[in-house]
Amino acid sequence: QVHLVESGGGVVQPGGSMRLSCAASGFTFSDFIMHWVRQAPGKGLEWVAFIQYDGTNKYYADSVKGRFTISRDNSKNTVYLQMNRLRAEDTAVYYCAKDKWELSIKGGTFDYWGQGTLVTVSS
Amino acid sequence: EIVMTQSPATLSVSPGERAILSCRASQSISSNLAWYQQKPGQAPRLLIYGATARATGIPARFSGDGSGTEFTLTISSLQSEDFAVYYCQHYNGWPPYTFGQGTKLEIK
Repeated sequence: QVHLVESGGGVVQPGGSMRLSCAASGFTFSDFIMHWVRQAPGKGLEWVAFIQYDGTNKYYADSVKGRFTISRDNSKNTVYLQMNRLRAEDTAVYYCAKDKWELSIKGGTFDYWGQGTLVTVSS
Repeated sequence: EIVMTQSPATLSVSPGERAILSCRASQSISSNLAWYQQKPGQAPRLLIYGATARATGIPARFSGDGSGTEFTLTISSLQSEDFAVYYCQHYNGWPPYTFGQGTKLEIK
């Protein structure tokens, strides 16, 4: 069955950097768009980033554009989120999510989610 | 950016009764709408996509309706495990994809 496991969260100072990883299994990873979605403590869900199945197209929320970079390694079935110039408002649980549609260039339906990893930006 | 607005913020319903949750988009999104359920401490779970299609393993008591800008999620006979927070989310066109602020469904 589909399994997504995030790692790399923790505490970082404002202005610092952190890289999150999401290891996928149970499906043909290289055929699906992958996303990062975050949730600040006690708040709602915010889509963060999208990477096409072959890595050619990437999209970002305005709130992270220019600071975060999504990437993937299809040989390792892993998607990454490099987060630079972190701010207090980036504090959240970060989820990776699989898109529902195979070999699609447009996505946006998150059919499987990881358990999330908490990123805390604080001095 | 398309803004998704959910109502009510909190809905109190007794087990066995029906719950209707609403979601409005700031512009037409056709049927490009999904609903998710989230329980405390858990990741969200996909319930409905394409405004009306149930995701794999979702019980028939969950149903979605609507198109354009107005959508509803109906839970026909509430079970104890259905009390949670529900989010709608659009995926019309290219990102950004936006979520509603959520409706908390609580036991009356």
